[in-house]
Amino acid sequence: DAGVTQSPTHLIKTRGQQVTLRCSPKSGHDTVSWYQQALGQGPQFIFQYYEEEERQRGNFPDRFSGHQFPNYSSELNVNALLLGDSALYLCASSLFGTGGAPPQHFGDGTRLSIL
Amino acid sequence: DQQVKQNSPSLSVQEGRISILNCDYTNSMFDYFLWYKKYPAEGPTFLISISSIKDKNEDGRFTVFLNKSAKHLSLHIVPSQPGDSAVYFCAASPNNNAGNMLTFGGGTRLMVKP
Repeated sequence: DAGVTQSPTHLIKTRGQQVTLRCSPKSGHDTVSWYQQALGQGPQFIFQYYEEEERQRGNFPDRFSGHQFPNYSSELNVNALLLGDSALYLCASSLFGTGGAPPQHFGDGTRLSIL
Repeated sequence: DQQVKQNSPSLSVQEGRISILNCDYTNSMFDYFLWYKKYPAEGPTFLISISSIKDKNEDGRFTVFLNKSAKHLSLHIVPSQPGDSAVYFCAASPNNNAGNMLTFGGGTRLMVKP
């Protein structure tokens, strides 16, 4: 039973560039959420995708956008990269509408470094 | 404006003793609380949760206590083991829908000494 998988594991970009991160949800899950974890802080919610639409969004600028595909996998795109975008980007999957445990399952993240 | 706070960035405990990790929240809309554990180079893994209708939930060595009036929750690990050394995050949600966005605290690094 494959868990949440993210690619790539590490990425180095320069300021102003654009980046795409990918996530495949746990088998049986249909909802994907993205979080940004800066060094020494807790994860911060970016947005969530269900039925190929953005359902919820955190306090992140429009430079952060996403997409969900019919197979439930998802991409996170960040444009015009800033130094402050350096972080661990976590993808979490869940089954929409289910209550209680098990909650969201997280992947191991993509470490993005901006030079 | 941090809605979920973990005021102790680190905690060191002797093996076999109790570890107590604390978490405070400010948003009264939060109704469901979770603890996640994170090892280096891995994603957070779910540990235990509690709904606001309860004040205690146990799972083996792990117990979470919720004081809704004080907007405070704590995670007790008894007995602590070296393998418990990790960063622990508390998280809050408006309800127990698995798809809800989670608001995380900043984490507490637990070190259990053999």
